[in-house]
Amino acid sequence: SQKIEQNSEALNIQEGKTATLTCNYTNYSPAYLQWYRQDPGRGPVFLLLIRENEKEKRKERLKVTFDTTLKQSLFHITASQPADSATYLCGTGFQKLVFGTGTRLLVSP
Amino acid sequence: DTAVSQTPKYLVTQMGNDKSIKCEQNLGHDTMYWYKQDSKKFLKIMFSYNNKELIINETVPNRFSPKSPDKAHLNLHINSLELGDSAVYFCASSQGRSVSGNEQFFGPGTRLTVL
Repeated sequence: SQKIEQNSEALNIQEGKTATLTCNYTNYSPAYLQWYRQDPGRGPVFLLLIRENEKEKRKERLKVTFDTTLKQSLFHITASQPADSATYLCGTGFQKLVFGTGTRLLVSP
Repeated sequence: DTAVSQTPKYLVTQMGNDKSIKCEQNLGHDTMYWYKQDSKKFLKIMFSYNNKELIINETVPNRFSPKSPDKAHLNLHINSLELGDSAVYFCASSQGRSVSGNEQFFGPGTRLTVL
């Protein structure tokens, strides 16, 4: 069955740096990948979708890449701010959306 | 205006009880979901309805029964609650099914604690 893996360890970076989060998938060739942000005590919020025929997608300070050879998606936040601190989930699927465990990002001032 | 709302926000109950969680979306979407997020924060789909029809029914104990009275509502009823049912339950909606990659809008979650 499809498997989505994200680094379960928290990522600590300093304000102003670029945060890069990784999402790897196995046993599957997804048609798309989605990225969500989840704050404590809240539901996930959709950020970006990238399709298999797209190498890169951008939205303001966010950038997502999709490498079907490496079976990997990278999520970048440039000029990170403490307000970017949250858990970021990647997900993909066919009949259903399967999420990774999420990576917690901590941006310190 | 709240897009996807759930009630209650918190639910504390004894083992063996029956409880319900309600979900409503005002986005005009045709597909609704129930997810369970466990203590390790793993978010897993339980059910999905499209136009009031059940289309995804994951390996979930049959003590869990979803009901969609109309496209804007999806309720979750849980019978004979067990300790392991303690989790946060999220309702979500989308226009179109997961196969299309349509973004999902999540509710605020219901934290269920079974004592």
